[in-house]
Amino acid sequence: GNSVTQMEGPVTLSEEAFLTINCTYTATGYPSLFWYVQYPGEGLQLLLKATKADDKGSNKGFEATYRKETTSFHLEKGSVQVSDSAVYFCALSSYSSASKIIFGSGTRLSIRP
Amino acid sequence: EADIYQTPRYLVIGTGKKITLECSQTMGHDKMYWYQQDPGMELHLIHYSYGVNSTEKGDLSSESTVSRIRTEHFPLTLESARPSHTSQYLCASSERTGMETQYFGPGTRLLVL
Repeated sequence: GNSVTQMEGPVTLSEEAFLTINCTYTATGYPSLFWYVQYPGEGLQLLLKATKADDKGSNKGFEATYRKETTSFHLEKGSVQVSDSAVYFCALSSYSSASKIIFGSGTRLSIRP
Repeated sequence: EADIYQTPRYLVIGTGKKITLECSQTMGHDKMYWYQQDPGMELHLIHYSYGVNSTEKGDLSSESTVSRIRTEHFPLTLESARPSHTSQYLCASSERTGMETQYFGPGTRLLVL
């Protein structure tokens, strides 16, 4: 079946450090891939998405590239800020999962000033 | 900005009480979902609906029930709350077509004593 595996946390970085959160997936067909972010006390919100191979999603300085050959969708940011502290979820959706979203287990990110 | 609302945001209640968690959206979305989020952050789909009068159980078995009488409204009910129901409950919605983005409400944090 479809699944998402993401880097375990928590991840703690200093402000302005480079961020990578790894995400790999297993899916039949051609899934859409997402990164969602959950700030403290809030629901999830879409950070970025990519719908086909080699697409790059980007938003708020974050980027992720849909790599079909490595079945990966790693999240990166060149210079993190304290305000980026949150939980990040990698996710996929495909017709074989009846269009439901399959979420990874989440990675908690803390940024030190 | 997504327009999806959940009430109450926080609820503390005694064992055996009946509770209803409200979820409404003003985007005209056909699909709606309920997730349970455990303290380890992982999300579990407990119910979903593809439209009025359509409800399905999700991947995680739940003692709760849902109804979908109106497009914009998807309440979740627990007939007899127990301490094991203590969790955060997130509601989400999406458009009907394809592998679309889900929009989340702010969540209801439930504590059953």
